[in-house]
Amino acid sequence: SAVISQKPSRDICQRGTSLTIQCQVDSQVTMMFWYRQQPGQSLTLIATANQGSEATYESGFVIDKFPISRPNLTFSTLTVSNMSPEDSSIYLCSVETDKTYEQYFGPGTRLTVT
Amino acid sequence: QKEVEQNSGPLSVPEGAIASLNCTYSDRGSQSFFWYRQYSGKSPELIMFIYSNGDKEDGRFTAQLNKASQYVSLLIRDSQPSDSATYLCAVVGGNKLVFGAGTILRVKS
Repeated sequence: SAVISQKPSRDICQRGTSLTIQCQVDSQVTMMFWYRQQPGQSLTLIATANQGSEATYESGFVIDKFPISRPNLTFSTLTVSNMSPEDSSIYLCSVETDKTYEQYFGPGTRLTVT
Repeated sequence: QKEVEQNSGPLSVPEGAIASLNCTYSDRGSQSFFWYRQYSGKSPELIMFIYSNGDKEDGRFTAQLNKASQYVSLLIRDSQPSDSATYLCAVVGGNKLVFGAGTILRVKS
């Protein structure tokens, strides 16, 4: 499986500011995903990030709030914009290997908005 | 009806026993099924996947799939305290992974 890193691992941010989370993979992958996991909850897919095209957002998530970049096959960023306390969550990136739908997760970014 | 349902637990088993974790799903067309283990404060780790009806064994883990009943399970033999974690069932639906809420497993020594 791929080795995935995320930065930052955690952050405390003020309401109204933005945070960009980076996801780096040690090998080229076609599919990268961004998830949110709120305390005590399961994983919710925010968007799928494909290189060379715009991200595909799930219902309830919009590009203005969660802009995503995918400049190459090993890197992606997720920005959480104009944050509110409701955005406090763990944000996870994952990658899909050449075996369809098998996903591997990065270590996550724990975000607290005050 | 939720797409993927799991009993939230906690499921408590003694050390050395078999832990049985269950998952039902609503999309009859689903073809791929996954089990992830998530330790507290950590990210999910893929431990098993199964695509065909029947059993698939990997070490102490066995995944069981019954597509007719829309049911997938994970058996953990000789449970160890280190198996204590939340186990997430994931099913492919609509070309994406859909996760259940997870079952908390506690293995008592």
